[in-house]
Parts: sequence; C-alpha cells; structure tokens
Amino acid sequence: AAGVIQSPRHLIKEKRETATLKCYPIPRHDTVYWYQQGPGQDPQFLISFYEKMQSDKGSIPDRFSAQQFSDYHSELNMSSLELGDSALYFCASSLEGNIQYFGAGTRLSVL
Amino acid sequence: AQKITQTQPGMFVQEKEAVTLDCTYDTSDQSYGLFWYKQPSSGEMIFLIYQGSYDEQNATEGRYSLNFQKARKSANLVISASQLGDSAMYFCAMREGDAGGTSYGKLTFGQGTILTVHP
Repeated sequence: AAGVIQSPRHLIKEKRETATLKCYPIPRHDTVYWYQQGPGQDPQFLISFYEKMQSDKGSIPDRFSAQQFSDYHSELNMSSLELGDSALYFCASSLEGNIQYFGAGTRLSVL
Repeated sequence: AQKITQTQPGMFVQEKEAVTLDCTYDTSDQSYGLFWYKQPSSGEMIFLIYQGSYDEQNATEGRYSLNFQKARKSANLVISASQLGDSAMYFCAMREGDAGGTSYGKLTFGQGTILTVHP
C-alpha cells in the first residue's frame, strides 16, 4: 500500500539559509499535517491543510510557511534558519478525519 | 498544561513476556481519540492502535491492546509476547473533537517511553 512520501530524507543547511520540505500524502487522503520533533522531544503540531485550504495552525514560527497544491502534495518552507530549527519534520495524512499516517520524516540539520 | 502524560521514560521487558506502557490524559472534551505510535531508532512514526472515547470495548490490534479506563483517564498500551523488534520509543497521543472516530484535529503527544526488549 502507498505511504506518505517525504523528501528529502536528510537536509543540511547553514544558519540564515532557506529550506523546502516536500510531502506527498497517501492517494485520496484529504488532509495533510506537519509536525516538528526536536531532539529527544515529542512531535509538535505545526500546521494542517484540508482539501488544499489551511485548516489549523499550531506553534509555527512566522519564518515558516506551508501550502498544499492542486495535486495535494504539500511543501513546508522555512526561511532564516536558526540552529533551533534542527529537528525531524513529519508530514502525516488522513482520509475523512480517520487515522493520521506519518511519512518517514525529513531530518533537518542547521549548522 | 500537559494533556498527555507518560510517566515511564524507559521500560525493560524480557522477550516473549508482556509489557504495559502507561498513558494518562487530560481533556474536557467528551469526544476524543487516543492513539499509540511506535518510533524505532530509524525515526519513522508507525501507527499501532486507536481508541475512541465512546468505544465500550478496549481496542486490540494483533499483539497490541489498549487498556482504556475512562474514569481514570488512562489509556495504557499492552504489548503481549514481546519481540526484539518491539524495542523502540512509544508515544501516546490524543486528538480532541473525535466524533464517531473521526476528527480533522491535530494530535497532541506525550513525552514517550523507550521500550527495550531483552533476549
């Protein structure tokens, strides 16, 4: 069965650079969620999209933005990267409010 | 305030034995869902089991079962017949607003419990 695809799997950036993380949800899933998991931390909700419209927003810095495109893939854009942005970023998708299935994550390291 | 509490930072179990991972939650919602996810050292987050607040029966999925005690606001995960591959971090999570088992709401996670299975 198809799963949530995230790319890239690993990303290394310098401070003040920008990063773009991509997420391809499970086909036909209508909702995408983004979570951030810092080292040794539990995942924290960032933002979600239902049918390409932003549906909820968590503790997402103003430096971050996200969108969902017509083909339902989503991108998380991160600018002016800081050391504290180093984390595992998860995308999850669900169908009609059911179980959220997670991708393998993108591990971002900011040097 | 912490909505999901996992009080066991680490747990050890012998292979083939059963283990219980504790989770308590706090919500004023009547409709909510409780989830357990497994995170191996490779990092991915794997869904294990779901319990809706109105479900009268405890959820079971293969070797996983959820001991749901609504009055105590606890949702403990029981893993039977532990295997070496069960060694991982386990997260309890809650989603508020679940109605009939569905909600478009976000997950709120606990701090996690690291389970180590010894041969």
